[in-house]
Amino acid sequence: AQTVTQSQPEMSVQEAETVTLSCTYDTSESDYYLFWYKQPPSRQMILVIRQEAYKQQNATENRFSVNFQKAAKSFSLKISDSQLGDAAMYFCAYFNAGGTSYGKLTFGQGTILTVHP
Amino acid sequence: DARVTQTPRHKVTEMGQEVTMRCQPILGHNTVFWYRQTMMQGLELLAYFRNRAPLDDSGMPKDRFSAEMPDATLATLKIQPSEPRDSAVYFCASGLVWGSLKHGELFFGEGSRLTVL
Repeated sequence: AQTVTQSQPEMSVQEAETVTLSCTYDTSESDYYLFWYKQPPSRQMILVIRQEAYKQQNATENRFSVNFQKAAKSFSLKISDSQLGDAAMYFCAYFNAGGTSYGKLTFGQGTILTVHP
Repeated sequence: DARVTQTPRHKVTEMGQEVTMRCQPILGHNTVFWYRQTMMQGLELLAYFRNRAPLDDSGMPKDRFSAEMPDATLATLKIQPSEPRDSAVYFCASGLVWGSLKHGELFFGEGSRLTVL
């Protein structure tokens, strides 16, 4: 079974600084997708960024970028120029795009990000 | 504006009572997920459906939980009898999954906060 591990329960960053959230996953599949979701206090789940496993190029979305290390099964999220509105719980997620668990989306435990003014 | 609708938003009940949570997925989406969120466990996948058929419910305590999709517009999660350890926020999410998660996004409902006394 696939597992997703976020080893940092909490992180903090100063406004305008850069922070990196860690995520590792375990899988024997070759076809999958990885996501970072943001959950602010409103409980709404918001997609931040996605990465297709077959792509070597790291995904970027404005101030958000990932460092995807497929061999190491690592998928970290970098937030540049942090803003107060970035404060939230961040979840790493793994999507099975093949195999017996096709279509299954598994989340990590989450990392609470605090942004200090 | 299409969205996933969950009811109830909040539920307080006593131990032993039956609880039913409902979810209306976005029209046209073929995959529905049920997740449970707690501080200790993060986001746990309870069950998911493709074209109304259950694909995986291994995350669900079988003796008390059941999940169904009586039709394409309704997914239900039932707990009978409920216990205090079931207190959590339950999320429903839907997506169009065909080969991959279309546009990399699941649409989440706002969650049902359950408190079992």
